[in-house]
Amino acid sequence: AQSVTQLDSQVPVFEEAPVELRCNYSSSVSVYLFWYVQYPNQGLQLLLKYLSGSTLVKGINGFEAEFNKSQTSFHLRKPSVHISDTAEYFCAVTKGPGGSYIPTFGRGTSLIVHP
Amino acid sequence: DAGVIQSPRHEVTEMGQEVTLRCKPISGHNSLFWYRQTMMRGLELLIYFNNNVPIDDSGMPEDRFSAKMPNASFSTLKIQPSEPRDSAVYFCATKTSGRDEQFFGPGTRLTVL
Repeated sequence: AQSVTQLDSQVPVFEEAPVELRCNYSSSVSVYLFWYVQYPNQGLQLLLKYLSGSTLVKGINGFEAEFNKSQTSFHLRKPSVHISDTAEYFCAVTKGPGGSYIPTFGRGTSLIVHP
Repeated sequence: DAGVIQSPRHEVTEMGQEVTLRCKPISGHNSLFWYRQTMMRGLELLIYFNNNVPIDDSGMPEDRFSAKMPNASFSTLKIQPSEPRDSAVYFCATKTSGRDEQFFGPGTRLTVL
């Protein structure tokens, strides 16, 4: 079974500052990794995903994440945040090729961007 | 495409009443997931259908919860009888076999008094 740990429940940051949201996973098999964003009163939407290939993946809204297999991490970064980035961010993992598609989500990190 | 459609968006009911939540998946998506989101427990997978067949219902909390998918364009999650601890936001998400990402509906916020 897989598990996901999001180390920070809340990350406050000032507008235009860089931000990193941390995600670590545990799995005995190869995995696919995802970051989803949830704006207030909305469902989750995909920011980016890692399936294979380059370990640095770029997503929507200027976000990127790096897969680090040795550290079992998939941290999300943005060099300069906007007020509109205030939202809940979820890291998720599924089994990789040939695995059954049942995602495991982290508890979420609330990104709060202050003016 | 209208995306995943859930109804109602908000539901307030009294303890002991039956509650039915509805989901219309994106056309062509053959996998459907029901999730529950609370502050205490985060996002929990309740049940997962593939091609209208329930594949994994191990997350359904108890017999008061049931889910059906009678056809490819409709699913329901029913709670009977409802209890205050069932208060949460319930999400439906769907995906197609050709993609790895899920598409979430806007959710139903359920309050059981």
